[in-house]
Amino acid sequence: GQNIDQPTEMTATEGAIVQINCTYQTSGFNGLFWYQQHAGEAPTFLSYNVLDGLEEKGRFSSFLSRSKGYSYLLLKELQMKDSASYLCAGMDSNYQLIWGAGTKLIIKP
Amino acid sequence: IAGITQAPTSQILAAGRRMTLRCTQDMRHNAMYWYRQDLGLGLRLIHYSNTAGTTGKGEVPDGYSVSRANTDDFPLTLASAVPSQTSVYFCASSDDAGGSYNEQFFGPGTRLTVL
Repeated sequence: GQNIDQPTEMTATEGAIVQINCTYQTSGFNGLFWYQQHAGEAPTFLSYNVLDGLEEKGRFSSFLSRSKGYSYLLLKELQMKDSASYLCAGMDSNYQLIWGAGTKLIIKP
Repeated sequence: IAGITQAPTSQILAAGRRMTLRCTQDMRHNAMYWYRQDLGLGLRLIHYSNTAGTTGKGEVPDGYSVSRANTDDFPLTLASAVPSQTSVYFCASSDDAGGSYNEQFFGPGTRLTVL
């Protein structure tokens, strides 16, 4: 079966660094996506990884290990506006996204 | 308009009633998708369309139907609503259904309550 696992909730402090982990199991693999979703809003794209390694984009970085079926999203210099849910999604052999339930990130001052 | 729009924003519906959720995009994207999002669960694909004139079933298609008469519009119809269809519905689109880099753009969502 296909499955995406990520923690339900995490708490971090403003200005700190947080790493959100995701493990995936998909039928075939065509990449790993991270989306951000603020409460009551639509998901918005953050990152895409298809090769092993780290992709950096400003304060956000995403890492992929295909052999381990593992990805993480790293958020640096946390700001209050980063309080949101972070959705991990794997793309299967049919180019369909399999979504995790999301990690709710709570930022404290 | 820019991006994807959905209508209505929210709706309360009596069980057994028919309802169509509307979705329109102006990005000329080939692929469009309908998801439902329920608390504690990931987004689940209901139906999709890789290009105008074609549709396919996703993970949870029962009780829903779609059509794709043109590139821009992708309505979702609940023929006879049931309380288990209470959810937030998101429409999304992407430029290319078959490409591995397939960023999906989401509409603002429709919050549907079936009583």
